[in-house]
Amino acid sequence: QSALTQPASVSGSPGQSITISCTGTSSDVGSYNLVSWYQQHPGKAPKLMIYEVSKRPSGVSNRFSGSKSGNTASLTISGLQAEDEADYYCCSYAGSSTWGVFGGGTKLTVL
Amino acid sequence: QLQLQESGPGLVKPSETLSLTCTVSGGSISSSSYYWGWIRQPPGKGLEWIGSIYYSGSTYYNPSLKSRVTISVDTSKNQFSLKLSSVTAADTAVYYCARHWIQLWLPGKYYFDYWGQGTLVTVSS
Repeated sequence: QSALTQPASVSGSPGQSITISCTGTSSDVGSYNLVSWYQQHPGKAPKLMIYEVSKRPSGVSNRFSGSKSGNTASLTISGLQAEDEADYYCCSYAGSSTWGVFGGGTKLTVL
Repeated sequence: QLQLQESGPGLVKPSETLSLTCTVSGGSISSSSYYWGWIRQPPGKGLEWIGSIYYSGSTYYNPSLKSRVTISVDTSKNQFSLKLSSVTAADTAVYYCARHWIQLWLPGKYYFDYWGQGTLVTVSS
């Protein structure tokens, strides 16, 4: 079971926008609009930021947005803030034999 | 506000069975639509889904761990549990429990919306 592919790290300055990619296959990301994104600060539990590709849970800032094209999903954070510095993980449903798969995670650094 | 709390031994010997329990408060584990899942994270590494259970007892497991994993539910105590057998040092990780919304008919749902704080389990003699 292969993890979804994410860049190991991305960085940006306060106020800028960044995008984190999550590349899967036609068996997972490409077949289902069931991609979710999680933010994890050091020593803390993951927090749901985006579900079903582009939906935001109540309470999550509208600076966070999600999209998908083909086998690649993306998380965009606009108006970058210091508090956004964290690890980000994508997750996708992958069919009834594999079920769910996570990405390897991306460390976001706010310069 | 829904809360989940993991509990169990922090140290397990190699070849033994890891056992953890997740207690759900602020809501019923018997709610329809929701599964209850276990996810782990080795130190410094990424997240790995272990498996999920519905209040009826229906389970789904990660194929890579399926032969060693058992997840059960106790609706009377609003708890669900994880057993991982024949553990090795590679099973050392922070183990999280989470509410897992799974709906595979359109419109589908598949995400973890509430998480416990996590508990570190170390496999060592």
